[in-house]
Amino acid sequence: GQQLNQSPQSMFIQEGEDVSMNCTSSSIFNTWLWYKQDPGEGPVLLIALYKAGELTSNGRLTAQFGITRKDSFLNISASIPSDVGIYFCAGQLGAGKLIFGQGTTLQVKP
Amino acid sequence: NAGVTQTPKFQVLKTGQSMTLQCAQDMNHEYMSWYRQDPGMGLRLIHYSVGAGITDQGEVPNGYNVSRSTTEDFPLRLLSAAPSQTSVYFCASRSPGGLRTEAFFGQGTRLTVV
Repeated sequence: GQQLNQSPQSMFIQEGEDVSMNCTSSSIFNTWLWYKQDPGEGPVLLIALYKAGELTSNGRLTAQFGITRKDSFLNISASIPSDVGIYFCAGQLGAGKLIFGQGTTLQVKP
Repeated sequence: NAGVTQTPKFQVLKTGQSMTLQCAQDMNHEYMSWYRQDPGMGLRLIHYSVGAGITDQGEVPNGYNVSRSTTEDFPLRLLSAAPSQTSVYFCASRSPGGLRTEAFFGQGTRLTVV
């Protein structure tokens, strides 16, 4: 089946540092999504990407939809303690179906 | 503004027991789906529905049944629980209005099968 490979698996960084994570797929997706999950909660959408090559920002977050439509990255600038959580990339299929990456666990040291 | 509501939040089952995980949404979304989340594996699609009376299998459907008798509710049934079904289960809903609509997730049900 379709798979998304997300890296890195985990990151431990100092407050104020920038963070980058990426996702690759063997299949083409028409929509890439980035979610954040806080402990005990469901994933919450951070950024949605709809066009190959698209670069979108949401505050300190920036994400890009790769030209080949098989990859995406997420950058977080000037990290703060509340950025802690698990970040997931997801490719959207029809009928509301999502294929998720394995997740990147981010820890931020104050 | 309830959104997607899952019950229960926590459940412990014995092997072989059956139970139903409830999911309800109040946003009139046609699309609903169930995922399970296991460490290091992200979320995997179990079953999904595109509307009342219509369901289909996802990536990992074995051991689970679903039905969709109303737009609002999408229960997930475990017929005979197994330790391999220990996981966190998430329900999601989305409007079908094109690609540019967001999926909303419930808070999850943490299930332990002993």
